[in-house]
Amino acid sequence: QITLTESGPTLVKPTQTLTLTCTFSGFSLSTNKESVGWIRQPPGKALEWLALIFWDDDQRYRPSLKSRLTVTKDSSKNQVVLTMTNMDPVDTATYFCAHSSSWPSKYFFDDWGQGTRVTVSS
Amino acid sequence: QSVLTQPPSVSEAPRQRVTISCSGSSSNIGHNDVSWYQQLPGKAPKLLIYNDDLLPSGVSDRFSGSKSGTSASLAISGLQSEDEADYYCATWDDSLNGPVFGGGTKLTVL
Repeated sequence: QITLTESGPTLVKPTQTLTLTCTFSGFSLSTNKESVGWIRQPPGKALEWLALIFWDDDQRYRPSLKSRLTVTKDSSKNQVVLTMTNMDPVDTATYFCAHSSSWPSKYFFDDWGQGTRVTVSS
Repeated sequence: QSVLTQPPSVSEAPRQRVTISCSGSSSNIGHNDVSWYQQLPGKAPKLLIYNDDLLPSGVSDRFSGSKSGTSASLAISGLQSEDEADYYCATWDDSLNGPVFGGGTKLTVL
């Protein structure tokens, strides 16, 4: 059984850096084809993909946010960390991490964390 | 503005059938497989359909997916009140070099 749990601050101030951790179990991010993604959802709005990290440390970022995002993994701790710099109130959202074991042409997220709500406000 | 276009809302009566469309382009749906997710209020998304038309274990066969060209559809038959949720399509986008989601469709069971 695969589980993912997001953790991090619930409130950050504008211009601060957000650091979120996804702690997972039930798979290894050292195994071929495995990946973990970050997706956010502003209140009342749609899902928006942010970043991906693959088993081979290949990283992908949403182009419009690439300069602000960094995703890293610690396979020994079963954790993936997302950092987002220069936070703004428009970044207020629920942030999800999700698991995939599929190739890009057939990509899908088969397991999701419960999400963590982040509010950006002074 | 989402890369994949879905109707904002659909509604249908219990026990009826409803379809939700998802329109994309040659760089996403036209070249890659589509997945669908159900998001109940206040919950995380749940995988409903993958590889265009496959159901994960445990998902009711009242749900079905299809794709033609650069568009995909999710059909739900025998509607039940518990199907009221937001539904999202998704796929890989070769231009974005990452996954993309539709804008979501809110299903109301009348």
